Amino acid sequence: EAGVVQSPRYKIIEKKQPVAFWCNPISGHNTLYWYRQNLGQGPELLIRYENEEAVDDSQLPKDRFSAERLKGVDSTLKIQPAELGDSAVYLCASSLVSGSQDPQYFGPGTRLLVL
Amino acid sequence: AQSVTQLGSHVSVSEGALVLLRCNYSSSVPPYLFWYVQYPNQGLQLLLKYTTGATLVKGINGFEAEFKKSETSFHLTKPSAHMSDAAEYFCAVLNTNAGKSTFGDGTTLTVKP
Repeated sequence: EAGVVQSPRYKIIEKKQPVAFWCNPISGHNTLYWYRQNLGQGPELLIRYENEEAVDDSQLPKDRFSAERLKGVDSTLKIQPAELGDSAVYLCASSLVSGSQDPQYFGPGTRLLVL
Repeated sequence: AQSVTQLGSHVSVSEGALVLLRCNYSSSVPPYLFWYVQYPNQGLQLLLKYTTGATLVKGINGFEAEFKKSETSFHLTKPSAHMSDAAEYFCAVLNTNAGKSTFGDGTTLTVKP
């Protein structure tokens, strides 16, 4: 069974440029998460989807970040415009159901460097 | 609100020695607790989890953890470290009502030959 797929794996952009990340979760997983992981820290939730619905986006900086999950499968996370402080690893994860004992399965992440 | 504190951002042990990684949590509801491992340039992988029932849980690669409610702790142990255990380890608490997980800042385990 394929795991969570993310692309690109690495991205280098200049500040003020836009950037987008893509995630394909494990087949059948209803819940999809986007996390940001800063160096030396644990993942911090940006947004959580239950199927197509964003059920928790309280930590998403909505002035520059946006996300969508069309058809309740793949998801994209966009930053426009990027700032130096956005340099981090962006992790996508999925699970069967949130709030249950089902663990989250993580993708390898997209490492973003903003110059 | 919930939080996770991992004591010691770096732990170094000799190969064959006991591994002990500490995790303390706070949660307003009975928590589900998880340990994940992250190897360089990879995502997090589940090591083990506690939901209900037996407080000593066993995971992959010989790791185990014990849920101690009175101490609000969920420390991770392994009797004998292997070189391949060198990685970063994250403790996480899940609020089952809100469906939200909170991760600690991680502990980097170094294993010396």
